[in-house]
Amino acid sequence: AQKITQTQPGMFVQEKEAVTLDCTYDTSDQSYGLFWYKQPSSGEMIFLIYQGSYDEQNATEGRYSLNFQKARKSANLVISASQLGDSAMYFCAMREYWAGTALIFGKGTTLSVSS
Amino acid sequence: GAGVSQSPSNKVTEKGKDVELRCDPISGHTALYWYRQSLGQGLEFLIYFQGNSAPDKSGLPSDRFSAERTGGSVSTLTIQRTQQEDSAVYLCASSLGQITNEKLFFGSGTQLSVL
Repeated sequence: AQKITQTQPGMFVQEKEAVTLDCTYDTSDQSYGLFWYKQPSSGEMIFLIYQGSYDEQNATEGRYSLNFQKARKSANLVISASQLGDSAMYFCAMREYWAGTALIFGKGTTLSVSS
Repeated sequence: GAGVSQSPSNKVTEKGKDVELRCDPISGHTALYWYRQSLGQGLEFLIYFQGNSAPDKSGLPSDRFSAERTGGSVSTLTIQRTQQEDSAVYLCASSLGQITNEKLFFGSGTQLSVL
């Protein structure tokens, strides 16, 4: 079964608009971490933001915020004020700490920002 | 070096040949991961090392794939009797392996093409 589900293969947004990239996850572990990575066309993997399962507040890093809804098992990434440089593939990932698993990635969402 | 180093950056091989891919993690990083990414797809987890041992190798797709890590540093991923479906970018990542919310640092990958 898929542990990380990203249902949007592609998203399109105009510059300066906000965009939400969806991510749902599946785990029975009580202790886990959720990550978002960005992969531009150059291929490098860039860490964006982290949310721990016990964190009560949503994580924020500059223009990135994570909308964490634990009961719904969702960890959506919100990018405010999109820029052309945000065009990339975005991956949601999860690590289960009690189970000791490696970081497992979703299939990704391609974001295209236009001017 | 400052980052995760992978070699070769590109490898073209004939079907049926064996290949070795190398990963040199960031100095002091005890955790090392191998992932595979097919064109336009997500990252497929292969194997995870903590030190020289592999607590999770559940992602290796067949017994043609093996990996080892020596001295808690360099890792080699070996693919025997390569098949065309093995063509992909093989990404290595490392982390300190000591705290739960730590991010992974990725190498630039090895593009493997099996003809």
